[in-house]
Order: sequence, then C-alpha cells, then structure tokens
Amino acid sequence: DAGVTQSPTHLIKTRGQHVTLRCSPISGHKSVSWYQQVLGQGPQFIFQYYEKEERGRGNFPDRFSARQFPNYSSELNVNALLLGDSALYLCASSHGQVGHHANTEAFFGQGTRLTVV
Amino acid sequence: AQSVAQPEDQVNVAEGNPLTVKCTYSVSGNPYLFWYVQYPNRGLQFLLKYITGDNLVKGSYGFEAEFNKSQTSFHLKKPSALVSDSALYFCAVRDSNTGGFKTIFGAGTRLFVKA
Repeated sequence: DAGVTQSPTHLIKTRGQHVTLRCSPISGHKSVSWYQQVLGQGPQFIFQYYEKEERGRGNFPDRFSARQFPNYSSELNVNALLLGDSALYLCASSHGQVGHHANTEAFFGQGTRLTVV
Repeated sequence: AQSVAQPEDQVNVAEGNPLTVKCTYSVSGNPYLFWYVQYPNRGLQFLLKYITGDNLVKGSYGFEAEFNKSQTSFHLKKPSALVSDSALYFCAVRDSNTGGFKTIFGAGTRLFVKA
C-alpha cells in the first residue's frame, strides 16, 4: 500500500504570494493532520481534520487554512507568505475515530520543503 | 496546556552500549505518549506509544519506553545501540482533555552512535 504522499516535494515562493500544499492519506485513513517543522525544531501542530471537519487547530495565524475532501485528501493553504514561513511542511494520516483518535499513531509523509524568498 | 520537554539536544553513545533519550510531559488530562524517529530529509516514523496499561512498552527496532506517571516522564531506551540508530528522535503527547486531536512534539534529541 502506498504511504502518505505529499506534493510538491520542494517549492520556492516569493514573499506575499500564496501557496497550496497537497496530501493524500493512506488508504482507509480518515484523519489528516498538518505540521510545520522549522530547521532544528520539532514539528509544530497546525491543523487536524477528521471526516472533512476541522477537529484541532494550533497557534498559527489566519493566513493558514486547510480543508479535507470527500476522498480524505487534504490541502494546506498559506496566504501572504512571509520569510518565516520557510519550513518543512509535514502531513500525517491516521485511522482516527472520534473518541478513539488519541489511541492511533500517525503516519507521516516525507514533507514539502517550502522556501520563501 | 499540553507540552513536551526533551532536555538533551544531543545524546552520544558507543555502539553496543545502552541508550536513553529523555522526555517529560505536561497535560491536564490523561496523556497519550508517542516516540517518533526522523532520518535526514525524511518524514517521521512511528516507534512506539503508551496509551494505557503496562508502563513498559516495546516498539520497533528493539526500542522500548517506560511511562512514569509520578515523574511525568516517558524515556526512550534501547539495551544495545547500533550505528544505524543515529537519527533525530521526537517525543509527542496528546491530551485526553482535548479529545486527542492536538499532538504536541518536543524539540527533538539527536542521537549519535559511534562505532
């Protein structure tokens, strides 16, 4: 079975632009989460989606948004890019069911390396 | 608010020696604890988790971790380190009081195993 796939793998954008990152979860997984990993730091939680609804949100500005589609794939959108948005963006999927989500480990994609210049 | 601390930026150990990577946490409800490993330019790989039950949990590649509620710790251990264990290790926690939908990671500990 294919793992979590993310696209693109690398991306260079200019300050002020908009970016869309995409994620396809493992088949059968209904939960997708997004993380930002700045070099030298641990992943920072951005969003959690389950059954197309936002279930959790981290401390990120409103420039960050996401959605989950009927096939459980997901997009992360970032508007008005700043230099500080340069990071590795990780997507993870898990089986996740409401009330049981905490029990399930996440499977991560290899990430999208975003560079803002 | 939930938080995770990994007090050591780096751990150095000789091949064949036991290793320990430390993790402490803070949650308001019951903790769900995880260890992940990251190799260069790769995503994170799951190693093991503690949800409930036995305080000693065993995971992939010979790793294990001990949950200590009184010390709010979840240290990662391996009896005999391999050079191939060299990587970046992350501890993570979910809080039952937030429905488990928010995973907080520590800053990571880099493990160097010397031959």
